[in-house]
Amino acid sequence: KNEVEQSPQNLTAQEGEFITINCSYSVGISALHWLQQHPGGGIVSLFMLSSGKKKHGRLIATINIQEKHSSLHITASHPRDSAVYICAVDTDKLIFGTGTRLQVFP
Amino acid sequence: GAVVSQHPSRVICKSGTSVKIECRSLDFQATTMFWYRQFPKQSLMLMATSNEGSKATYEQGVEKDKFLINHASLTLSTLTVTSAHPEDSSFYICSARVGGLADGSWDTQYFGPGTRLTVL
Repeated sequence: KNEVEQSPQNLTAQEGEFITINCSYSVGISALHWLQQHPGGGIVSLFMLSSGKKKHGRLIATINIQEKHSSLHITASHPRDSAVYICAVDTDKLIFGTGTRLQVFP
Repeated sequence: GAVVSQHPSRVICKSGTSVKIECRSLDFQATTMFWYRQFPKQSLMLMATSNEGSKATYEQGVEKDKFLINHASLTLSTLTVTSAHPEDSSFYICSARVGGLADGSWDTQYFGPGTRLTVL
């Protein structure tokens, strides 16, 4: 069993839909990262969370430390949100989830 | 925000040659840099952790003589793929962390844009 599990693996949505990507982990962490990887490979760090909730534009990330679970939400999704979203937990090194491939169609 | 650059962004080389990839933190000093590789449609895998001025710590299964890492300064780490082979073709990503804050927590990691290596 992987230490970091993401779901779903693949997700398709129509423009405007509300999207949720989940991340569960089984190790003790100091922080959790949500990353975005566009076609071509470049990685953008979206959030780093150690508790609670963060919001940036249409993106919202939450974390529940007791339940070892985090969610990434995208409101009013847009085709440019199409990317792979990766959850990574910070122990003394990062452990990555397998990613969620999101495609948003117009 | 903090920026990490990688150079080159793409490189194509012949089998047997060596390739050097640079990772720079542009506006902060990184006490720790990490090197990852990613095979197509797979997750990132940590290769090694490097701290400025000391030898890199390699993950199990990563050949340290093949993947030479030099963290010469607080803003520069280099990964050299020696005697590259087609199976080394991959996407290599670095990240940089300020590290060890006074309260014992860690600052965030900042990722480079990656380098796509193709070995013919």
